Amino acid sequence: NAGVTQTPKFQVLKTGQSMTLQCAQDMNHNSMYWYRQDPGMGLRLIYYSASEGTTDKGEVPNGYNVSRLNKREFSLRLESAAPSQTSVYFCASLRDRGQTEAFFGQGTRLTVV
Amino acid sequence: GIQVEQSPPDLILQEGANSTLRCNFSDSVNNLQWFHQNPWGQLINLFYIPSGTKQNGRLSATTVATERYSLLYISSSQTTDSGVYFCAVSCWGKLQFGAGTQVVVTP
Repeated sequence: NAGVTQTPKFQVLKTGQSMTLQCAQDMNHNSMYWYRQDPGMGLRLIYYSASEGTTDKGEVPNGYNVSRLNKREFSLRLESAAPSQTSVYFCASLRDRGQTEAFFGQGTRLTVV
Repeated sequence: GIQVEQSPPDLILQEGANSTLRCNFSDSVNNLQWFHQNPWGQLINLFYIPSGTKQNGRLSATTVATERYSLLYISSSQTTDSGVYFCAVSCWGKLQFGAGTQVVVTP
């Protein structure tokens, strides 16, 4: 039982390049989330998907797009990377939006030069 | 959205000491969790505790939902307790994090 798996773990991009961060969960959870963590700060919500087929903006959605490919997978895309998007990205899943526990992936450390 | 405030922002402890971390939140919630982020950046689930008290070894947590706060107790601290402790809350959806408490335990 892997839980929440993120790929890649590390990535270096040049300004203007695009990439997709992948997240998959094997816990049959309905809700999935993407966060970013900048140095010395807490996690900030980028986008979330309360259930398969739905996505909503979080606190810092600008510069990102998401796709809830199926119940297991939720991807985050940077269309034109900027240095301000250098961060650690975490994916999380919950069984549903109610009283359930969130589980996080190991994170993707992204550097944009 | 819900505001989450954690205190203190930083804590330096000598090994063996006890400490209390606090999390205040601005609205009713149906989900509250405590996480430990270790020096390698991994987020480890400590407690899922929207109300009541739980204990796990040297750690325990109490949430008083009606008064909108939660406490995390660390007893007999060890160097492996170092890292950042986050409180996160949500009401039907978006999990909102506090800024964290940076804990350093010295030998």
